[in-house]
Amino acid sequence: GAGVSQSPRYKVAKRGQDVALRCDPISGHVSLFWYQQALGQGPEFLTYFQNEAQLDKSGLPSDRFFAERPEGSVSTLKIQRTQQEDSAVYLCASSFRQFSYNEQFFGPGTRLTVL
Amino acid sequence: RKEVEQDPGPFNVPEGATVAFNCTYSNSASQSFFWYRQDCRKEPKLLMSVYSSGNEDGRFTAQLNRASQYISLLIRDSKLSDSATYLCVVNGANAGNMLTFGGGTRLMVKP
Repeated sequence: GAGVSQSPRYKVAKRGQDVALRCDPISGHVSLFWYQQALGQGPEFLTYFQNEAQLDKSGLPSDRFFAERPEGSVSTLKIQRTQQEDSAVYLCASSFRQFSYNEQFFGPGTRLTVL
Repeated sequence: RKEVEQDPGPFNVPEGATVAFNCTYSNSASQSFFWYRQDCRKEPKLLMSVYSSGNEDGRFTAQLNRASQYISLLIRDSKLSDSATYLCVVNGANAGNMLTFGGGTRLMVKP
């Protein structure tokens, strides 16, 4: 079956440009997570949705980062006025329910390079 | 101090060897524990959950010591295809149940 998909897979942006990263979770999955993975590091939590509600955005590094999931399915992570330190792989994950033991399924990620 | 700490490696082992990875976590409220595997330039994938009683899946054995806040992964009879980064992961310490990852331990299995 279809897994989590993300687009674009690669994005090169000039410093100061706005970018939008899309995530299509597995159909029917209630929970959706965004993570940021810098080179050589483990993924770090950015934000969490349960259906359309953004329940936790404590990991967003600055107010330049904004995420939405208006219909409880597709989600978009937007980064305004990109900086070089935003260069990373942005991973989206979804899980069927909101329980801690539920497996999270990851998409392939969007590799963002800010020049 | 990071919430989940792992030795980054790399661990270079010959095929057939047994190798063990360890991980410590700082938040005693953590509820669920996992090992994820990540191949180069790919997404993390769940390898196995970790239970207090210890659990085994083929050549892989995972153990959890809640008192010491310590998680381990043992790989027996290593295969070339086991070469990857192994991520120690905890979940449930926060309301959102997001995953908290260690930095990963890199394993290279050589012929």
